[in-house]
Parts: sequence; C-alpha cells; structure tokens
Amino acid sequence: DIVMTQSPDSLAVSLGERATINCKSSRGLLCGSNSKNCLAWFQQKPGQPPQLLISGASTRESGVPDRFSGSVSGTDFTLTISSLQAEDVAVYYCHQYYSAPLTFGGGTKVEIK
Amino acid sequence: EVQLVESGGGLVKPGGSLRLSCAASGFTFTNAWMSWVRQAPGKGLEWVGRIKRRIDGGTIDCAAPVKGRFTISRDDSKDTLYLQMNSLKTEDTAVYYCVAGLGTSDLDDWGRGTLVTVSS
Repeated sequence: DIVMTQSPDSLAVSLGERATINCKSSRGLLCGSNSKNCLAWFQQKPGQPPQLLISGASTRESGVPDRFSGSVSGTDFTLTISSLQAEDVAVYYCHQYYSAPLTFGGGTKVEIK
Repeated sequence: EVQLVESGGGLVKPGGSLRLSCAASGFTFTNAWMSWVRQAPGKGLEWVGRIKRRIDGGTIDCAAPVKGRFTISRDDSKDTLYLQMNSLKTEDTAVYYCVAGLGTSDLDDWGRGTLVTVSS
C-alpha cells in the first residue's frame, strides 16, 4: 500500500499570511500519458463532506480560489494557501489515486492565529 | 449539478448487517467509477472500496479491513450504488460517503454521508 505522510498535524496562521502543508508519498505517483501525478488535495470544513481542491498535484478545480496552489518535487507534495482567509479554516487531506487501495494523508487542521 | 444521496445508515449491533444505498443524479452514472469512503468520529478519511464502470470491467477493489465482509455493487439502470456490510464491528462506526470519480480523480464529487453506528 502507498503510505501518505502529511505534516504538520495542525497549523495556526494569521489572516493574510501563507499556509504550507506537506505530504510525502512512499512511492512515485506519476500516472497516465500526460505525466501528471495522481495526487489530490481535499478541503473539509466542519460538518461538511470533503471537497476536491486540486488534482494532478497542481490543477485547481473549477471555482477554487487562486490563492490555493499545489506543487510537487519527486514524492514530496505541497499545498500552499498564499493569503489565508477566514473561510479557509478547515482540515486538508492529501490523497493518492495512483493505485488501490487508495490512501489519504492523516490531515492538517488549519486555524487562524 | 452532481447529486449523491446516501441512505440506509443507522444503529446496528456488532455482528449485524446493514445495506447502504447512494442515489446519483446530475451526471452519467454509467461513466463513473464509484467509491465509498468512511470517516470515524473525529478521525481522518478512509477509503472503503470502489467499483469501476462496466466498460472498464466493473472491477471491484476493497480495503483490507473490510474485505470479505463488505460488498460493493451498482445498478446502472437505477443510477444507484450499494454497500452491503456484514459482520459489522464497533470499529466500522463512521460516516460513510458515496463518491463519484468522473475523470478528474477517483474522488471528484461527494455525497453528504450517512452515519453508521455499531454498538451493543
């Protein structure tokens, strides 16, 4: 099974400041003919189901603000919120869909400092 | 608009059975890989399993903790996904989400979930 190691467990950032979440996979996640990584990021607000933010490691879903960005270096993945807003308070999960069993990181809780 | 509505959750005793359903609308169900993902109270996300679309063989994959106890099926004529859960354990207590994979990732759109509580 592919293990997704996410850090930190929680993060407190001031409004307007940058938040960075890391995720490391136990193996490479390059998939398909377009050399994308099969890595997604989800946002889960309290009492709501998760919402897909980013797929292919760096492609934002329609309607996702451009303050959210994803990047990759080898097996290290990063989700960056460039300027934290109050509505970004949530738990964020990385997820690999390279192979079954599909797996998730443990989650990062983002709060306002 | 994609809609996924789960039903069938509730309280069940250890060793019991439950069948969850997920009614899908707003997309071509036959084109979707469908998954179940669960979340225990206060915990993270755990993939339960998926069923591919018929054109991809309708293959079913399940996570190790539920293999042999849970069965995933789909009825494309009814746009409905099912999760048959047998031999339930207390550790199966969770919100169960129905999730559609529509080509972006495997888990593009999520239902609101249904709570399953396994307790004596």
